[in-house]
Amino acid sequence: GENVEQHPSTLSVQEGDSAVIKCTYSDSASNYFPWYKQELGKRPQLIIDIRSNVGEKKDQRIAVTLNKTAKHFSLHITETQPEDSAVYFCAAKGGAGSYQLTFGKGTKLSVIP
Amino acid sequence: GAVVSQHPSWVICKSGTSVKIECRSLDFQATTMFWYRQFPKQSLMLMATSNEGSKATYEQGVEKDKFLINHASLTLSTLTVTSAHPEDSSFYICSAPRSAANTEAFFGQGTRLTVV
Repeated sequence: GENVEQHPSTLSVQEGDSAVIKCTYSDSASNYFPWYKQELGKRPQLIIDIRSNVGEKKDQRIAVTLNKTAKHFSLHITETQPEDSAVYFCAAKGGAGSYQLTFGKGTKLSVIP
Repeated sequence: GAVVSQHPSWVICKSGTSVKIECRSLDFQATTMFWYRQFPKQSLMLMATSNEGSKATYEQGVEKDKFLINHASLTLSTLTVTSAHPEDSSFYICSAPRSAANTEAFFGQGTRLTVV
């Protein structure tokens, strides 16, 4: 089955700096890669996603890049703010007809004011 | 976007009792729902895939007789933790994709289970 590795497990940045979280996946048939933000005790919230036919996607301060050849994708947050502090999970969905998401272990991001 | 509602949001039960958690898709029909368990400071671990009208598919290491899943309608899946023990205390969360083509997964609010 799919295996998703996520790094780093914790990340501290100064407010205004950029944060980068990286994930790798094992199943070359995976075609959908979402990123979720989870605050303590709450449900994960989708913040951005990318499909396998796209190399990069941006939404304001958040961007995701995908390298299908290397099977890795990254989340980039620019101009970080204290409210960006949370746990971020990457995930990968299998090929056609698959509903299942496999999650990375998560990255706890702390933005220091 | 689609809404998935999970109930209860938290529950405290005595060791040895059973607890039922409900997951409802409010504005779409979900033939498939997923149940996850999340321990503190850890990721979401898939427990089982709930399939409407058929048996659930359990991940390796998850006891099917302990975690009973019923998906009797296209909008409701339930997870029953039977004979709960303190080690079952965790955050349980469901999710439902609208379809295999619509890839976004919609999560319920989660249920914080504490077994005392």
